[in-house]
Amino acid sequence: ETGVTQTPRHLVMGMTNKKSLKCEQHLGHNAMYWYKQSAKKPLELMFVYNFKEQTENNSVPSRFSPECPNSSHLFLHLHTLQPEDSALYLCASSQGLGSYNEQFFGPGTRLTVL
Amino acid sequence: DQQVKQNSPSLSVQEGRISILNCDYTNSMFDYFLWYKKYPAEGPTFLISISSIKDKNEDGRFTVFLNKSAKHLSLHIVPSQPGDSAVYFCAASARTGGFKTIFGAGTRLFVKA
Repeated sequence: ETGVTQTPRHLVMGMTNKKSLKCEQHLGHNAMYWYKQSAKKPLELMFVYNFKEQTENNSVPSRFSPECPNSSHLFLHLHTLQPEDSALYLCASSQGLGSYNEQFFGPGTRLTVL
Repeated sequence: DQQVKQNSPSLSVQEGRISILNCDYTNSMFDYFLWYKKYPAEGPTFLISISSIKDKNEDGRFTVFLNKSAKHLSLHIVPSQPGDSAVYFCAASARTGGFKTIFGAGTRLFVKA
């Protein structure tokens, strides 16, 4: 595997379910990100991790819980979501933080909450 | 309030012609700008960037222009090819803003053969 991978690619869940999204980067990067992309809206930054430490929580509801066990893996644990949480969830990584660091994105997980 | 705006949701261009995608920003502290390209079922991929110390950056068929006084940047694709059909995201960041990259909503480009 190369680049940034995400599983699953598609997920349908009920509002009472608990599920997790997984992201893995094979680029040797130190920073990882979760973004949410809703239809016709800008990508919304959710969480940022740098060297496994969370450096940003962009006012995300607690029903989204990130986990970064190491610099290569990032999880997003989902619990009691709402239908409006249906979106494309993108993971990204970069060599470091800072404005000159290009981000590499995974293909995303298309989440549908019923 | 969106700090990075792409006011055209879509653009249609004939193959071989120039495609011009526009982006406006409101935060004068932004000092680095990027364009990403996204095909369906794939994540965005980095295309080209420009630092605020420049007003133009060129990479093959792709050129980005930056007008700091107008807080405007544009991406020119010449000549456009059908394979360029994708969603293009403009993004901006500021060294003083830490590590946040702010994205626009994207413009869907259709290049007709």
